[in-house]
Amino acid sequence: RKEVEQDPGPFNVPEGATVAFNCTYSNSASQSFFWYRQDCRKEPKLLMSVYSSGNEDGRFTAQLNRASQYISLLIRDSKLSDSATYLCVVNPLRSYIPTFGRGTSLIVHP
Amino acid sequence: NAGVTQTPKFRILKIGQSMTLQCAQDMNHNYMYWYRQDPGMGLKLIYYSVGAGITDKGEVPNGYNVSRSTTEDFPLRLELAAPSQTSVYFCASSNSGKRETQYFGPGTRLLVL
Repeated sequence: RKEVEQDPGPFNVPEGATVAFNCTYSNSASQSFFWYRQDCRKEPKLLMSVYSSGNEDGRFTAQLNRASQYISLLIRDSKLSDSATYLCVVNPLRSYIPTFGRGTSLIVHP
Repeated sequence: NAGVTQTPKFRILKIGQSMTLQCAQDMNHNYMYWYRQDPGMGLKLIYYSVGAGITDKGEVPNGYNVSRSTTEDFPLRLELAAPSQTSVYFCASSNSGKRETQYFGPGTRLLVL
């Protein structure tokens, strides 16, 4: 089983739709979790951290489910500019090396 | 702050040639990383460093070397370039390898022919 798994997609949704991605991780000792966004031919950039209590940033909501070992990202009212690849990142406990998922591609169309 | 900078942006190499990819950060981060990203694939860690003078192998270190003589710089050396090293290379830094976020450079696109 891969350490971090994501559905590669693409998720093809119309503007205004709500879309959700999941990411599963295999290391139960994982300590911290993030979602990054990567635009085509660009570097990854942090979108948001994921906390046990869940967190929201505008149209974006991130959740962590430790019991089932997955994190999720919910995007409400999708915009054309949300089209990108979303990378799940997991930091194991006492490790210098974060683990990146392969990413989920989102395409928002008019 | 310029953040993380990388040079060159794009390079074409012939098989067997060597080159150094430059990476610098001005955030005084102690942790730095080199990744490669092949088309449609995730990031694979090549090497990382937890401070000046300290480096360690990542998932795919073969064919590469690194050095970390200063906190700011973390160059990646390719010796005897092979077509399999055609990829996009990203350098990243973070204040802590455990909980802090990573800041990425804009990447170097390398084509080996």
